[in-house]
Amino acid sequence: DTAVSQTPKYLVTQMGNDKSIKCEQNLGHDTMYWYKQDSKKFLKIMFSYNNKELIINETVPNRFSPKSPDKAHLNLHINSLELGDSAVYFCASRPSGGQGDTQYFGPGTRLTVL
Amino acid sequence: KNEVEQSPQNLTAQEGEFITINCSYSVGISALHWLQQHPGGGIVSLFMLSSGKKKHGRLIATINIQEKHSSLHITASHPRDSAVYICALSRGSNYKLTFGKGTLLTVNP
Repeated sequence: DTAVSQTPKYLVTQMGNDKSIKCEQNLGHDTMYWYKQDSKKFLKIMFSYNNKELIINETVPNRFSPKSPDKAHLNLHINSLELGDSAVYFCASRPSGGQGDTQYFGPGTRLTVL
Repeated sequence: KNEVEQSPQNLTAQEGEFITINCSYSVGISALHWLQQHPGGGIVSLFMLSSGKKKHGRLIATINIQEKHSSLHITASHPRDSAVYICALSRGSNYKLTFGKGTLLTVNP
């Protein structure tokens, strides 16, 4: 069974479009994250939600809007896509309540903006 | 200066060699993570350390909190160990991760 899943795996779209990436975890974790990995393979945190509440928002353009309908899902919506948004986006989740802070990563979504 | 620095950036080894990847940091942390990213792109958490040493199979991770330094060792390296190894710092009550730039390891048969 997949622990952290993302859809789609690949996304190719035109500049200016709006797109969403979905993330689901079946681990029962309370905290979820979105990370961006750029063309130089450098990972950087974008957002984190704990029990549907936004707890980290790292100077990301407001074209990016995370949405957490429940604690098992954290979706990423991107408006007015730009060339510089091309990257691999990783979702991750983490248990809380003293269970340690090892994070479990999804397989990534490769976004290409043309 | 980056808060977390890894060395080397690239490392090529022959199968069977002992590998060491280093991570130095300049801030207070709650834990340090070692992650592995396979050529296919998936990221796996290898270790989370707040002190001392951990071992899993052929992998050993150590941390010296006073010196703000961690090492990842691979004994008897194998071509399947070829991957990018990433050091990440966990900080604050939200356990925000700050990542190093990664070390690309290639193990030749």
